Amino acid sequence: AQSVSQHNHHVILSEAASLELGCNYSYGGTVNLFWYVQYPGQHLQLLLKYFSGDPLVKGIKGFEAEFIKSKFSFNLRKPSVQWSDTAEYFCAVNARSGGYNKLIFGAGTRLAVHP
Amino acid sequence: EPEVTQTPSHQVTQMGQEVILRCVPISNHLYFYWYRQILGQKVEFLVSFYNNEISEKSEIFDDQFSVERPDGSNFTLKIRSTKLEDSAMYFCASSYFLTSDTQETQYFGPGTRLLVL
Repeated sequence: AQSVSQHNHHVILSEAASLELGCNYSYGGTVNLFWYVQYPGQHLQLLLKYFSGDPLVKGIKGFEAEFIKSKFSFNLRKPSVQWSDTAEYFCAVNARSGGYNKLIFGAGTRLAVHP
Repeated sequence: EPEVTQTPSHQVTQMGQEVILRCVPISNHLYFYWYRQILGQKVEFLVSFYNNEISEKSEIFDDQFSVERPDGSNFTLKIRSTKLEDSAMYFCASSYFLTSDTQETQYFGPGTRLLVL
């Protein structure tokens, strides 16, 4: 069965620190990969996505992620975090199943950025 | 920018009661989804819907659950007889599925927080 693992459940950083959130998936077929962000009290928003092509994808707000197929990984990075990045981050895989799509989410990583 | 909307934002109900959660997907989208997130747990897929029928459902989506697109804009999730364990945040999502070659992004609504007492 498909699954997504996020290694860090809680991350605490100071402003300007670099961020890397790990995500590994388990699925042998074609996948699309996503990072969603949920700011406090708000809904899930798409941060970035990978469908094909350049494995280094850039998203909104200075985030980027790298797809490494051999490692089944799609880690999220940001060189310098801000207080406003405090949120929960979800990695998700869109695994094709019978021609229809569903998202399989990781458990999420709660990021707290201190000024 | 078009958004998925959901009503109500919060719903409190008694165990055994029926609830209907409402969603208005993005207008030109063709695929609709419900997910749920029990407090402290993962976001879980419930059901996908296309062309007025369920295209896939998870093990969670048992006979107590049903979905409907009653008109051209709304997409509803009905829970016939709620249980305590149905307490969760329920997210609606929609996508415009172009071809079998993917290129699909799901856009989420703000969620309905359901509390079953």
